[in-house]
Amino acid sequence: DQQVKQNSPSLSVQEGRISILNCDYTNSMFDYFLWYKKYPAEGPTFLISISSIKDKNEDGRFTVFLNKSAKHLSLHIVPSQPGDSAVYFCAARYSGGGADGLTFGKGTHLIIQP
Amino acid sequence: NAGVTQTPKFQVLKTGQSMTLQCAQDMNHNSMYWYRQDPGMGLRLIYYSASEGTTDKGEVPNGYNVSRLNKREFSLRLESAAPSQTSVYFCASSSTREGNEQFFGPGTRLTVL
Repeated sequence: DQQVKQNSPSLSVQEGRISILNCDYTNSMFDYFLWYKKYPAEGPTFLISISSIKDKNEDGRFTVFLNKSAKHLSLHIVPSQPGDSAVYFCAARYSGGGADGLTFGKGTHLIIQP
Repeated sequence: NAGVTQTPKFQVLKTGQSMTLQCAQDMNHNSMYWYRQDPGMGLRLIYYSASEGTTDKGEVPNGYNVSRLNKREFSLRLESAAPSQTSVYFCASSSTREGNEQFFGPGTRLTVL
């Protein structure tokens, strides 16, 4: 049973426009959410995170929104750039687990069209 | 700083062979992790080590063993490799603090024939 779901395997967006990547989760014990970006043949790199006590976190072109009641989060990238083309993973951590591993979604392949 | 390093980058094994994947971090992190990623799947946690001297099972531990050799190094061992263990293996580390932002190595691509 998948606890973190990314229902769009791929997303194509024009350069300069907004990219919106979505993620849903089922476990209400998750208290911290992270987005990772992954290029082929490389390890994932941390992008941005949000605590469950917040509903928004912004870092430059990247903003993550959290809707706890809907168990939904989204990553907004504005404006989208060619270097943003990668696979994006949503991940979640159990509450109280400072050292516990993360639960990942299957990823969304973002393609930025020139 | 090299961050998280993994060796080897690629490996081909025959069914039944054994091997150890090595991981080291130079960020003075307490926690280390092993994940596997299969095609079309997210990363799944195999084992983790919250601190030197401790290890715990993750979601998919069967067929694997781990050793937290010291604070820097965390190895993953396949005692008798099976084709189902063909995957890309990622090691990660994090400080034990709020957030648990994990830093990943470049991965080891393992094929078991």
